[in-house]
Amino acid sequence: ILNVEQSPQSLHVQEGDSTNFTCSFPSSNFYALHWYRWETAKSPEALFVMTLNGDEKKKGRISATLNTKEGYSYLYIKGSQPEDSATYLCAFYKSYNTDKLIFGTGTRLQVFP
Amino acid sequence: DAGVIQSPRHEVTEMGQEVTLRCKPISGHDYLFWYRQTMMRGLELLIYFNNNVPIDDSGMPEDRFSAKMPNASFSTLKIQPSEPRDSAVYFCASSRSELQPQETQYFGPGTRLLVL
Repeated sequence: ILNVEQSPQSLHVQEGDSTNFTCSFPSSNFYALHWYRWETAKSPEALFVMTLNGDEKKKGRISATLNTKEGYSYLYIKGSQPEDSATYLCAFYKSYNTDKLIFGTGTRLQVFP
Repeated sequence: DAGVIQSPRHEVTEMGQEVTLRCKPISGHDYLFWYRQTMMRGLELLIYFNNNVPIDDSGMPEDRFSAKMPNASFSTLKIQPSEPRDSAVYFCASSRSELQPQETQYFGPGTRLLVL
């Protein structure tokens, strides 16, 4: 059984705070790690795809890092805004022969003004 | 492009009835995925197709669930007979094949199913 774990399950922060959360995955046979942003009543939208150990991706105030040797990825949000409120999902491919993503249960972020 | 299209957006039905969910993937995408989202288990992959052929249906809960993809632009997920525990949001997603496993999956708006 492949486990993708995300922590914390939920997070409440004040506008302007910076925050980060974790995605843990099995470190063997790693091929790719995806981050998705999922707003309430909408569908998940891709944020990043990461493939190399040490990868760092950035989109505006959101960035992500990847450590494939120890099996974790961090997502950072700098200066959180209310519009950042969403569930952040990570998902990974276990091996090249599998075309499916295994999703974590997400971190639900709420940013209060 | 209109993105992934799903219908209906909401479905309320009674236990025992047949439910059919529909999906139109993004044109040119070779992969189509059906997911179910519940509070308890998060986003679960039910089945996926590559070039209209079912590749992995290991996530389909039981024989009451079936999925088809008769052509590149249409897929259905059918539940017969439906049960209250099938209540969930069902998402369809599609992706290209060229850069797997880096390819992004594009999700539809989902069908919210309630079985009474």
